[in-house]
Amino acid sequence: ELKVEQNPLFLSMQEGKNYTIYCNYSTTSDRLYWYRQDPGKSLESLFVLLSNGAVKQEGRLMASLDTKARLSTLHITAAVHDLSATYFCAVDRTSDTDKLIFGTGTRLQVFP
Amino acid sequence: GAVVSQHPSRVICKSGTSVKIECRSLDFQATTMFWYRQFPKKSLMLMATSNEGSKATYEQGVEKDKFLINHASLTLSTLTVTSAHPEDSSFYICSARPPPGTSGYLTDTQYFGPGTRLTVL
Repeated sequence: ELKVEQNPLFLSMQEGKNYTIYCNYSTTSDRLYWYRQDPGKSLESLFVLLSNGAVKQEGRLMASLDTKARLSTLHITAAVHDLSATYFCAVDRTSDTDKLIFGTGTRLQVFP
Repeated sequence: GAVVSQHPSRVICKSGTSVKIECRSLDFQATTMFWYRQFPKKSLMLMATSNEGSKATYEQGVEKDKFLINHASLTLSTLTVTSAHPEDSSFYICSARPPPGTSGYLTDTQYFGPGTRLTVL
């Protein structure tokens, strides 16, 4: 059974600081996604990572994928308050393309 | 603009009644759509895969007679929560993925609807 775990579950950080969210998954998968969710809202797609070593950046967020270690990271650079949200990684189930298994989520709070 | 819409965005109903939630793919035809539920401060759990023109595929532990899914057209899937109870109260989210070759969209990405918050009294 594919399991996806994130850590930390909760992250409180000061503006201007850097931090990394980790996403571990238990079995081989072709694709890994990062989503953002604001309170009471749906999911916004941030990154799609399709191959080992993939790195993508958008603004203060950078995501990477190591398929051998079954690990993805979401790095936050010089955090700002607007980044406060819950971040989910999700992995395609091995045998069922398109069926996403979501990580536990990381609730990020950025304070002045 | 929105790629996937849901209606209603919020619904409150009495225990024992049925509630229908619509999910529409606005910009592309989707032969497959997905339904998730999310409890407060929890992650998303895949409930079922909605297949246009055929029966939905349910995940283990999801009651197909309770959560009826109909995918009558290439742009519309509906989820009906039958005989709703308070424990069915949740945030229901649908998603769709653009078919390969769809111009202007990331075909490797699922686009999520805005969600429907169901409260059963």
